Amino acid sequence: EADIYQTPRYLVIGTGKKITLECSQTMGHDKMYWYQQDPGMELHLIHYSYGVNSTEKGDLSSESTVSRIRTEHFPLTLESARPSHTSQYLCASSISGNTIYFGEGSWLTVV
Amino acid sequence: GESVGLHLPTLSVQEGDNSIINCAYSNSASDYFIWYKQESGKGPQFIIDIRSNMDKRQGQRVTVLLNKTVKHLSLQIAATQPGDSAVYFCAENNPRRGTSYGKLTFGQGTILTVHP
Repeated sequence: EADIYQTPRYLVIGTGKKITLECSQTMGHDKMYWYQQDPGMELHLIHYSYGVNSTEKGDLSSESTVSRIRTEHFPLTLESARPSHTSQYLCASSISGNTIYFGEGSWLTVV
Repeated sequence: GESVGLHLPTLSVQEGDNSIINCAYSNSASDYFIWYKQESGKGPQFIIDIRSNMDKRQGQRVTVLLNKTVKHLSLQIAATQPGDSAVYFCAENNPRRGTSYGKLTFGQGTILTVHP
């Protein structure tokens, strides 16, 4: 069982609001990721980090931003949420760079 | 471009039967493959992995087979149980995309339904 935690699990917010999705892992993994997944669809990498103070954009363009100030913490922020941002956001981490372990996900609905 | 796809989007089996979930990948440079199980409302859970220098790997009730000749991956679940009902994703890692950054490519997923 992977020790990676996401909050909130479910969130409904209004258009234009700022939202931060929290992600923490207690495994000491150096690499962390954010994936976006629509229901029944594949996962798309939107951000990743290979250590403190390093962040990179993933394969899928996203208006969200991330930060990595501490090894265990990798929050994702949307400055102004839109309905097109409605999706599930999955945080993950790894130490080897191959097998990655996922959190339970954050379901975001923007109305 | 690169793609990982699943042959069967849905699979229904009876409890106790063996299940086989298939996956095709297009990038012959991929060197590492993972199967994930995702239950409703949860994040993907690691099941089993295999490297390209192997053609078979067994875990507890699960076996992954890799056929590099036809670029095909399969997950076999023995004595399938209702708790195995979930969406199953295969994922591949292409070292050219940065192995150390875990840039996995995921397929669309197969829905496995196990009937009691």
